[in-house]
Amino acid sequence: QVQLVQSGAEVKKPGASVKVSCKASGYTFTGYYMHWVRQAPGQGLEWMGWINPNSGGTNYAQKFQGRVTMTRDTSISTAYMELSRLRSDDTAVYYCARAEKYCSGGSCYSMYYFDYWGQGTLVTVSS
Amino acid sequence: SSELTQDPAVSVALGQTVRITCQGDSLRSYYASWYQQKPGQAPVLVIYGKNNRPSGIPDRFSGSSSGNTASLTITGAQAEDEADYYCNSRDSSGNPLFGGGTKLTVL
Repeated sequence: QVQLVQSGAEVKKPGASVKVSCKASGYTFTGYYMHWVRQAPGQGLEWMGWINPNSGGTNYAQKFQGRVTMTRDTSISTAYMELSRLRSDDTAVYYCARAEKYCSGGSCYSMYYFDYWGQGTLVTVSS
Repeated sequence: SSELTQDPAVSVALGQTVRITCQGDSLRSYYASWYQQKPGQAPVLVIYGKNNRPSGIPDRFSGSSSGNTASLTITGAQAEDEADYYCNSRDSSGNPLFGGGTKLTVL
């Protein structure tokens, strides 16, 4: 069965960086896109970006460009999301979420809905 | 506009039918997907595409769309359906977009 298992909770000081991992199992890691979505306490879902595990290509939401880096290690079927220059309003639960890939005309794209989610990683930014 | 708008809260009597709506310009061109999120848990996909349910999602959940409005209908709401519901579509760049969420209370 498909599983996305994320790393544990983190507490960081403002200005620091955090790196969250997401280990995939039960499917071909390179056959799907991996997205990252966050949820601040009591708030809604916010899309951060995606990585194509096959090529390593990335696409980040404009809000996070320059602060977020998404990478992957295909040998261990794991995706990573690193957020730098943390602020207090980055306190949130961070989720990885799988999206189907569709290919047309020689190019491949990510679907925009997510069929499996990780359990979430709480990142707390506090001095 | 790159926004999806949902009512913050909706209530339904046990066993009755409830419709949760999502409005946005992108919905004129792209289907909405819907997620259920219970406290302390990750979201779960309940509807995607025109009206598709992932394996394991009860058939009391259905989706529809008209113009700039997508709807999630729960026919015969159960106590376990009490949760937050989020719609999701894409913007003009192909990037995912979420609605603000609707808190469903089952009375």
